[in-house]
Amino acid sequence: EVQLVESGGGLVQPGSSLKLSCVASGFTFSSYNMHWIRQAPKKGLEWIALIYYDSSNKYYADSVKGRFTISRDNSKNTLYLEMNSLRSEDTAMYYCAKSAYRGYADYFDYWGQGVMVTVSS
Amino acid sequence: DIQMTQSPASLSASLGETVSIECLASEGISNSLAWYQQKPGKSPQLLIYGASSLQDGVPSRFSGSGSGTQYSLKISGMQPEDEGVYYCQQGYKYPTFGSGTKLEIK
Repeated sequence: EVQLVESGGGLVQPGSSLKLSCVASGFTFSSYNMHWIRQAPKKGLEWIALIYYDSSNKYYADSVKGRFTISRDNSKNTLYLEMNSLRSEDTAMYYCAKSAYRGYADYFDYWGQGVMVTVSS
Repeated sequence: DIQMTQSPASLSASLGETVSIECLASEGISNSLAWYQQKPGKSPQLLIYGASSLQDGVPSRFSGSGSGTQYSLKISGMQPEDEGVYYCQQGYKYPTFGSGTKLEIK
């Protein structure tokens, strides 16, 4: 059974940093691209970052580019999201998601339960 | 970025009724379209990918269609467990989602 378990969220002040983790199990983690997606309270879904299976490529949404860094440790089956210079608009539930790349298009076939990040003074 | 315009924003349906949700892409996405269902307090679940392919384990009352820039999700025979918010997502370029459709039982 595929499982994705996020951790590391919490309440932080504007301008501070936080690092999220996502531990994967039930599939060959090192063979799949992985994503971070977030959802502000009562809002829709926003893709924010992608990392290739071998960390060779990383892509970011404009809203987080230059502030957030996605990384992974395939030996630990773990995905990370390092978030710096946090703003109130970064307040959201953060999900890690497994890539389901089919027919030259990327979808998300498994999601974690999410971890809440609240940025407030 | 490719913008995804989803409609309606909300919808109520009777049990057994057939419902449709639409998604319009700002440019052609070559059937690179997925639909997700999100229930309150839960993470989204993939229902349809490639515009019309049913994800494993998803009931056959869910179906997807469309091409070019226009896509739709149909639920043939609304069930109580189908309540939730539905999102479309394009996978043609950097992923973007529609704004969601809240589906409730009438």
